[in-house]
Amino acid sequence: AQKITQTQPGMFVQEKEAVTLDCTYDTSDPSYGLFWYKQPSSGEMIFLIYQGSYDQQNATEGRYSLNFQKARKSANLVISASQLGDSAMYFCAMREGGKNSGYSTLTFGKGTMLLVSP
Amino acid sequence: EAGVAQSPRYKIIEKRQSVAFWCNPISGHATLYWYQQILGQGPKLLIQFQNNGVVDDSQLPKDRFSAERLKGVDSTLKIQPAKLEDSAVYLCATSKGYTGELFFGEGSRLTVL
Repeated sequence: AQKITQTQPGMFVQEKEAVTLDCTYDTSDPSYGLFWYKQPSSGEMIFLIYQGSYDQQNATEGRYSLNFQKARKSANLVISASQLGDSAMYFCAMREGGKNSGYSTLTFGKGTMLLVSP
Repeated sequence: EAGVAQSPRYKIIEKRQSVAFWCNPISGHATLYWYQQILGQGPKLLIQFQNNGVVDDSQLPKDRFSAERLKGVDSTLKIQPAKLEDSAVYLCATSKGYTGELFFGEGSRLTVL
């Protein structure tokens, strides 16, 4: 079974509008971390935001926020006030095990292509 | 702070030939990963090093892929012999500790003809 599912192959949004990119995950480990990365056409993966399974509040980083719904096992990325430079592939990823578990690996979803139009 | 450096950026080879990719991590980052990203898919872990020891190589096709990290710093990933399905971007990533945030290089794009 896939550990990370991103059901939206592509999303379109107009500049200055908000957009939500979906991510659901599957794990039986009570301790895990969820990540979002951005991959522009240059190819480099850029870390955006992190949410730990025990974090009480949803993570926010500037225009990025993570809508974490633990019971539904979803970790959607919300980008507010989209900019043209936000056009890129976005990957959701999960690391199982806690902060002190060490040696953890990141499992990625298939990604969502976001296109921001003027 | 310098980022993760990878070379070459692009490589085109014929099937059955060999190729090697090099990665220089961010200074002080003990954990190093090689990921394979096939077009249209998310990155898939090939191998993970902690310093110069292998932590996870369960998804590395060991009949043709090999990787090493001598002295716990630079790493090389080798493919020999290459197959058509090895065409992909090979991403190197490193992390300082166990927080899970990975810093990626720009990748090495391999085309096998």
